[in-house]
This record gives sequence, C-alpha cells and structure tokens, in this order.
Amino acid sequence: EAQVTQNPRYLITVTGKKLTVTCSQNMNHEYMSWYRQDPGLGLRQIYYSMNVEVTDKGDVPEGYKVSRKEKRNFPLILESPSPNQTSLYFCASSSERRDRDYEQYFGPGTRLTVT
Amino acid sequence: AQSVTQPDIHITVSEGASLELRCNYSYGATPYLFWYVQSPGQGLQLLLKYFSGDTLVQGIKGFEAEFKRSQSSFNLRKPSVHWSDAAEYFCAVGLSGYALNFGKGTSLLVTP
Repeated sequence: EAQVTQNPRYLITVTGKKLTVTCSQNMNHEYMSWYRQDPGLGLRQIYYSMNVEVTDKGDVPEGYKVSRKEKRNFPLILESPSPNQTSLYFCASSSERRDRDYEQYFGPGTRLTVT
Repeated sequence: AQSVTQPDIHITVSEGASLELRCNYSYGATPYLFWYVQSPGQGLQLLLKYFSGDTLVQGIKGFEAEFKRSQSSFNLRKPSVHWSDAAEYFCAVGLSGYALNFGKGTSLLVTP
C-alpha cells in the first residue's frame, strides 16, 4: 500500500530538548515536504526536498532542520524546541513527474506539544 | 506575491442543502489546484485536483469544483450535504510538485 508514515504520532516534550520526527514514504517519490498546521493559519511549508541531498527552506523554516540522505526518508529535526513550535506537523511526498499530476500524499500527522 | 484565499472561515449548512466553498488565488501563471478535506483529528484527504482540460472537475464523495481562469477561482461544490461532510476544507495551489500554498481553511458545520 502506498503510504507516508510519520513517527511519533504524538509527542510531549520540554523546551530545549532535541527531538526528531521521522517521515518515510514507499512510493519512490522524489519530492518530500514538511508542513505545520496551526489553527486559523492553515498549513505552512517548513522545508522541502527535491531529491537526495537537495533541500530548501519553505515559508517557516526557523528553528527546524532537515536532511535527505535516503530517497525514502525525510526527518524533521528540532534542535532546541520552543513552545511556539507546538503544532500539528505533516510530512508529504510527491512525484516529480507531471504525468503523475504532482499529487502530494500526506502522512497522518504528528502532534507536538512543547512545554 | 503568490497567495491563496479562502474567504469564508466558517460555513453552516443544513443537511441536504447545497454547498459552495470559495477559493481564490493570485499567481503569475495558472497553477495546479487542489481541494483537501480534514475530518476532526484526522489527516488530509485529497478530494479533487485540476491541472488542465475540462474546467469542471469531479472528485470523491460527490464533490466537484470549477476552475474559472478569468476569476482566478476554484470553488468547491456539492449538491446535497451529508452530516459526515462536516470537516475542515483546504484549497491548495502550486506551480510544482514540491511546494503547495494552502489557504487558511473553511470549517464546515452541518446542522440537522
């Protein structure tokens, strides 16, 4: 089954404690992205990757890091989480092929609370 | 600047009534257009998408959307709403497969 998986699904942590949210896709997609969702703001892109070792900032990259060492994985790293990073996070992947309609497949989301 | 606007934050409709959710965009070129739905506590599910061709697009769950180039709009419609349609709806727009610009969402409430 084609899917994007994220772990953990729920996480409560304290300010300053480094954490990583993993994302993996099994569709051999070139593109992967991270979004955060906040009430009244919709989804905003944090980082995206066009392929292995190619990443770039989205609209709200401050406080986050990413890496793309393997095509299937795109972890999101919070080196020193702060309460304003409390949010719902989504990972997404899509094909670079236009004939695949650029549809983004989303993971189930990770709800992060930073106290 | 590129932008996506969903003018209605909340919409309430009666079960069985028709529904239209608005989406307007501002882009230099015609982008790819999507509608996603998010049920409470759930992830995002793609309802439909537009890339080219017929401007009236059919999606899942009885939804359709019409692309109007002259109005830079991609409004979502359903002729008869069911209570299970209560959810948050997001319009998303992009020029590529690696970045989508989402609207802020419209929350749909369905009353008996």
